[in-house]
Amino acid sequence: DVKVTQSSRYLVKRTGEKVFLECVQDMDHENMFWYRQDPGLGLRLIYFSYDVKMKEKGDIPEGYSVSREKKERFSLILESASTNQTSMYLCASGKGGYYEQYFGPGTRLTVT
Amino acid sequence: QQQVKQSPQSLIVQKGGIPIINCAYENTAFDYFPWYQQFPGKGPALLIAIRPDVSEKKEGRFTISFNKSAKQFSLHIMDSQPGDSATYFCAADNQGGKLIFGQGTELSVKP
Repeated sequence: DVKVTQSSRYLVKRTGEKVFLECVQDMDHENMFWYRQDPGLGLRLIYFSYDVKMKEKGDIPEGYSVSREKKERFSLILESASTNQTSMYLCASGKGGYYEQYFGPGTRLTVT
Repeated sequence: QQQVKQSPQSLIVQKGGIPIINCAYENTAFDYFPWYQQFPGKGPALLIAIRPDVSEKKEGRFTISFNKSAKQFSLHIMDSQPGDSATYFCAADNQGGKLIFGQGTELSVKP
């Protein structure tokens, strides 16, 4: 069974804090993705990676950065958290060039 | 041009009814159109997918209808059950694995 795990289910941070969200997959997938999910807006792509040390911006990268030092791990970094980054964050992985993505359970981040 | 528009935002049907969720796209370069299902507290999971050269695909009670000329596709759930209550996302595959998702439809099937 494919497994994508995220470091926290719930997280509460203060405005201005640096926040790290970790994602690990166990299927040797080339592709990894970070999305945020907000009601009525669907899943919006923040960043994705096709290979180790490689990253590309998605549709809403402002205020975020990512790191992929190992194939199985993809981290999302909020350099200085703001209240408008309160959201559900979903990590996904997938085989290169294939439309099926496997999602983690999500991290609900609240920034106060 | 990269958007996928999904409607309705929410849908309530009685058990046994046939909910229909619609999506529209602009970019003709998309090469796969998957649907994802998300239960509360879980991440989305692939439900069914279709290629643009096929007009219909069925898997169990779930059917995708695809209209290439209109750039529209839809999900039908036959004989819907309360266990089908979930949020459904349509998507389009852009650049080999990068997905553009619709806004989501929250489906509630009443017993």
